[in-house]
Amino acid sequence: NAGVTQTPKFQVLKTGQSMTLQCAQDMNHNSMYWYRQDPGMGLRLIYYSASEGTTDKGEVPNGYNVSRLNKREFSLRLESAAPSQTSVYFCASSGELHIYEQYFGPGTRLTVT
Amino acid sequence: SQQGEEDPQALSIQEGENATMNCSYKTSINNLQWYRQNSGRGLVHLILIRSNEREKHSGRLRVTLDTSKKSSSLLITASRAADTASYFCLETSGSRLTFGEGTQLTVNP
Repeated sequence: NAGVTQTPKFQVLKTGQSMTLQCAQDMNHNSMYWYRQDPGMGLRLIYYSASEGTTDKGEVPNGYNVSRLNKREFSLRLESAAPSQTSVYFCASSGELHIYEQYFGPGTRLTVT
Repeated sequence: SQQGEEDPQALSIQEGENATMNCSYKTSINNLQWYRQNSGRGLVHLILIRSNEREKHSGRLRVTLDTSKKSSSLLITASRAADTASYFCLETSGSRLTFGEGTQLTVNP
């Protein structure tokens, strides 16, 4: 099992460009999450999906959109990137929302210039 | 919203010593989880303690929870150089998930 995979691993964008971060899990988990981590800080929740077909805002959703494409895949889109979105983005999944432990992907390091 | 608080922010010890990290939170929780992050990597789950539990063990890890003080502690016994990492607590409360800012642990050989 690959667990949680994320693509790409690294990305550089210019201000105003758009991109989609991809995430997939093969553990048959119901819930999936997107976080950002800024230097020296903990993770902040951007969006989450409790189950297929549902998505909800987390702590810092502004500037992002998400799609729960199916049970396996949960994508994060930046429509118009800003330098403040320079960060490391982590995707995670868990069996049920908030009840069980989360499994994390390796992260995407995004730089917006 | 404000993140949970962990202390210390950084901890440096010698191999074989014990390391204790603390996490304070602000609301009533469903559970509290501890994670480890090695530099440049994703987080790895260590242990989950539910709100009706007071102590849990897993190998060299011991977690306690004091709901009256809204705090939890993670103890790593007989530390190894490989334990060098950042450690984060995660509080789950209703629909909220809040990570602490982490403790950077350095274990010197």
